[in-house]
Amino acid sequence: EAGVAQSPRYKIIEKRQSVAFWCNPISGHATLYWYQQILGQGPKLLIQFQNNGVVDDSQLPKDRFSAERLKGVDSTLKIQPAKLEDSAVYLCASSFSRSTSSSGNTIYFGEGSWLTVV
Amino acid sequence: AQKITQTQPGMFVQEKEAVTLDCTYDTSDQSYGLFWYKQPSSGEMIFLIYQGSYDEQNATEGRYSLNFQKARKSANLVISASQLGDSAMYFCAFSGAGSYQLTFGKGTKLSVIP
Repeated sequence: EAGVAQSPRYKIIEKRQSVAFWCNPISGHATLYWYQQILGQGPKLLIQFQNNGVVDDSQLPKDRFSAERLKGVDSTLKIQPAKLEDSAVYLCASSFSRSTSSSGNTIYFGEGSWLTVV
Repeated sequence: AQKITQTQPGMFVQEKEAVTLDCTYDTSDQSYGLFWYKQPSSGEMIFLIYQGSYDEQNATEGRYSLNFQKARKSANLVISASQLGDSAMYFCAFSGAGSYQLTFGKGTKLSVIP
C-alpha cells in the first residue's frame, strides 16, 4: 500500500517569495492534516480536512498561509509571502477517520517537505 | 489544553540493551489516546505504538512496549534489544476525547552505540 506522498522534498526560497507544497494521502483516507515542524520541536497542526471541508484551521496563519483540498483527495499548502520563521518541515498526514482516539484511526505521515527561507 | 512532556532531550543506549523513553501528559479527559512516533533523519514520522486510556493492558508491538501508568499520567516507551537502526527522534503524542488532532511532545533523540 502506498504511503502519504509529498512534494517537493526540499525547497529554498527568499523571504517574501511564495511556495506551494503538494500532498497525496493514503487511498481511502478521508482526513488529511498539515503539520509544521520547526527544528528541535514536535510537529504542530496547521490545518485539518475531512474530505474537502476544513475541520480545524485555528493555528494556520491565514495572512500568509492557505490550504485547499479539492475533490477530497490531494491537498496543496501555500505560503505567500514567506518569512524567515517559516523555515521548517511541512508534514502531510492522513487517517481513515476523524477521531484519533483509537488505534484504527492512526495518523500516517509523509516524509515531509523541507523549507528554508533565506 | 493538553500538555505532553518529554524530559529527556537525548538518550544513549548500548546496542542490544533495553531503553525507556519518558512521556508524561496532563489532561482532564477520561477518554484519550497516546501515541509514539519515530522520526529518522529522513524526516518521516513513523507510527510505532498506541495506548487507549481504557485499555487495561499495556500495548506491545514487537520490540516496542508502552508502560502505561494512568494514575501517574505517564506513557513511557520501552525499546528492547536496541538496534543501530533505532537511532532517531522519538515523539510522544496525545489525542483527547473529541479531539481530531495529535499534540506532540518536544521529542527525545535516541542514539544507539555499537
